[in-house]
Amino acid sequence: DTEVTQTPKHLVMGMTNKKSLKCEQHMGHRAMYWYKQKAKKPPELMFVYSYEKLSINESVPSRFSPECPNSSLLNLHLHALQPEDSALYLCASSQDTGRQEKLFFGSGTQLSVL
Amino acid sequence: SQQGEEDPQALSIQEGENATMNCSYKTSINNLQWYRQNSGRGLVHLILIRSNEREKHSGRLRVTLDTSKKSSSLLITASRAADTASYFCASHSGGYQKVTFGIGTKLQVIP
Repeated sequence: DTEVTQTPKHLVMGMTNKKSLKCEQHMGHRAMYWYKQKAKKPPELMFVYSYEKLSINESVPSRFSPECPNSSLLNLHLHALQPEDSALYLCASSQDTGRQEKLFFGSGTQLSVL
Repeated sequence: SQQGEEDPQALSIQEGENATMNCSYKTSINNLQWYRQNSGRGLVHLILIRSNEREKHSGRLRVTLDTSKKSSSLLITASRAADTASYFCASHSGGYQKVTFGIGTKLQVIP
């Protein structure tokens, strides 16, 4: 199994809603990532988890709250988002950090904030 | 600072032709990677070249790296309509797995 699975594929939420994005991998990877991608732009790194601990937070606003319950799962909790947060949210994993590893990406969650 | 700026940003070629995309980066890297993204989908890893390598091949892909010029190029030979996608270079720097993507090249291969 070389898949990274993201749910939901599409999400529409209001600015007062609370929602969560989910990501799962069963490749035994110990590093997991959240990226945000606006239309016609490159992915921008948000968070990196290494061995279930948050290792990188790229100064992301607190309305985005990541969680890594175990080595296979990664969540992104959303609360009080703004319309400008509408984007494709991509989860990725790699075998480890600190090594020259390639990233495996999920198909993303297309988020619209109304 | 933005790592990885691709050139050209858009490229349209006929099927069977070769496509060359260039990438420049600003800081020292551990490796440089190339990814492909079909519209609105996740990215797929194509090839990784380490900082001590100069050229690498994988099927129809050829990647070069010039660390003195902080640049890389991706060549796709004998292009196919199915190669139509956006291509991103991504640089890995630092001790942690901080992979930063360039702005990308949108490739269209016309059948």
